[in-house]
Amino acid sequence: EPEVTQTPSHQVTQMGQEVILRCVPISNHLYFYWYRQILGQKVEFLVSFYNNEISEKSEIFDDQFSVERPDGSNFTLKIRSTKLEDSAMYFCASSDRGMNTEAFFGQGTRLTVV
Amino acid sequence: AQSVTQLDSQVPVFEEAPVELRCNYSSSVSVYLFWYVQYPNQGLQLLLKYLSGSTLVKGINGFEAEFNKSQTSFHLRKPSVHISDTAEYFCAVSDGGATNKLIFGTGTLLAVQP
Repeated sequence: EPEVTQTPSHQVTQMGQEVILRCVPISNHLYFYWYRQILGQKVEFLVSFYNNEISEKSEIFDDQFSVERPDGSNFTLKIRSTKLEDSAMYFCASSDRGMNTEAFFGQGTRLTVV
Repeated sequence: AQSVTQLDSQVPVFEEAPVELRCNYSSSVSVYLFWYVQYPNQGLQLLLKYLSGSTLVKGINGFEAEFNKSQTSFHLRKPSVHISDTAEYFCAVSDGGATNKLIFGTGTLLAVQP
């Protein structure tokens, strides 16, 4: 069964460092998402990506964040200068169509900023 | 703006007992509703979804949910739970817009006891 894969499963980084979280969406999917879940809190939408551009982003997704689909298979989330409050589980998701469809989620990357 | 409320942060229940996890939503447009499950240290897995049609939706692992438009609810039920159902359950709503982003509730921890 096709699945969304994320690497690494756990990343520890020092405050102020840049971090890149990687995702391989399901191969025929066209819509890509990043969500995050701070420990003990709900899952929050960060950004959606379609046709090689951001289609929507939340207030959380400020200038420190960027997304890229560099090679047609990977989908990355970059945080330029990490803060302590960026510590969270980051989930990548993809769907084959935007409307009325199920999003498939990866296992998540736990980011710990120290 | 859309929102999802899961009033119960934790629901303890004995094995083989029935369970209902409550979800209420608010939206000014047509909604599409989802229940996701998160087992310990794992990603989000879709349990079931309501897009249109029959208001009673059946999902995986014996779960079902009923969409009630007048009460703006989408409660999740299972007639007999197992220890293996212990997990965090998230209700989510999508407006079916171009990005199809999901708005999640705060989650309910289902704790099944022997």
